Amino acid sequence: KNQVEQSPQSLIILEGKNCTLQCNYTVSPFSNLRWYKQDTGRGPVSLTIMTFSENTKSNGRYTATLDADTKQSSLHITASQLSDSASYICVVSFLYSGNTPLVFGKGTRLSVIA
Amino acid sequence: DAGITQSPRHKVTETGTPVTLRCHQTENHRYMYWYRQDPGHGLRLIHYSYGVKDTDKGEVSDGYSVSRSKTEDFLLTLESATSSQTSVYFCASGGRDTDTQYFGPGTRLTVL
Repeated sequence: KNQVEQSPQSLIILEGKNCTLQCNYTVSPFSNLRWYKQDTGRGPVSLTIMTFSENTKSNGRYTATLDADTKQSSLHITASQLSDSASYICVVSFLYSGNTPLVFGKGTRLSVIA
Repeated sequence: DAGITQSPRHKVTETGTPVTLRCHQTENHRYMYWYRQDPGHGLRLIHYSYGVKDTDKGEVSDGYSVSRSKTEDFLLTLESATSSQTSVYFCASGGRDTDTQYFGPGTRLTVL
């Protein structure tokens, strides 16, 4: 079964600290992996999207890595800010009948405190 | 935000009544999607569209229907709402199905 597992479920860090969120997937055949940020009460916003051949991709203070061999991805947040408080969702798409359906993780809830 | 709006933003209705949610995008995206988001679950696909009048079912399509008569509008209908359909509904759009999906602000639906 195609699944995306994220860890930890929730995380609290001090402002200015770094953190890393994990994503493991069993989706096959793999198409791409995306990280989204979802603020409370709002829709998800794309941070990065990586294909099979990409190992890392950055978007400001966010850096995503992908190891397609071990089917693992991580999202590293540098010098966290209060505005980083949100849910971070890992999404993996797979190839199916010419389409690329998405499988969503349940998200990691990050709280950045002063 | 990629010019995608949803209406209404909040709705309370009673079991057995029909409900229609509207999604409107101004990006001329070919693909549009309806998801629901519930505690303890990731976003789950209800239906999607890959062009005008072209739609297909997602993971949790039972009890829902959709229509797309124009590129910019994608409607989700609950023919007879049930309490299990209480959820937050998100619409998304994208150019190709491998592209980034842009999400709307969500509609919170409560079925009493």
